[in-house]
Amino acid sequence: GAGVSQSPSNKVTEKGKDVELRCDPISGHTALYWYRQSLGQGLEFLIYFQGNSAPDKSGLPSDRFSAERTGGSVSTLTIQRTQQEDSAVYLCASSSNRGADTQYFGPGTRLTVL
Amino acid sequence: QKEVEQDPGPLSVPEGAIVSLNCTYSNSAFQYFMWYRQYSRKGPELLMYTYSSGNKEDGRFTAQVDKSSKYISLFIRDSQPSDSATYLCAIIKAAGNKLTFGGGTRVLVKP
Repeated sequence: GAGVSQSPSNKVTEKGKDVELRCDPISGHTALYWYRQSLGQGLEFLIYFQGNSAPDKSGLPSDRFSAERTGGSVSTLTIQRTQQEDSAVYLCASSSNRGADTQYFGPGTRLTVL
Repeated sequence: QKEVEQDPGPLSVPEGAIVSLNCTYSNSAFQYFMWYRQYSRKGPELLMYTYSSGNKEDGRFTAQVDKSSKYISLFIRDSQPSDSATYLCAIIKAAGNKLTFGGGTRVLVKP
């Protein structure tokens, strides 16, 4: 079956611009996660959605970062006023239920902020 | 100090050798232990998942957990060039939702 998909695969933007990254989870998965992978910091948790519950935003690095999940499926991660330190690979994962269930990752969006 | 420590490598081995990877963690609340493999410019894919101390084997892969020492290992037997990738350990708390990752070890298996 189809796995987690993300778009775009690559995004180059100028400092100060806003960007939107999209994630389509595996059909039927109620849990969705965003992670960021950068050279200096490794793979870090950003935000977690589970069904209709309030999201766990504890990993968002600043208020420039926000995410939403519409209809319990597709999610969009928005970064406002991008900075060079935002350059990283943004990975989305989904799982069938809660966090201890296997998380399946998408291919990621490589963001470069010039 | 990071919650999960992992040697970044690179680890270079000849084809057919055993690859030995490990991570240490600091928080005893971590209860579920995973190993992911990540090829260049791809997302991580799950290799092994275990939640108890001891060994778990799947084909050429063996995952080992020692909760008393807070130490986890992954062994790859009969390594192949296709095993060349970055291996990430990931740990999660019993009631948690986020994965906490080690920094990853880059492995190169030379033909």
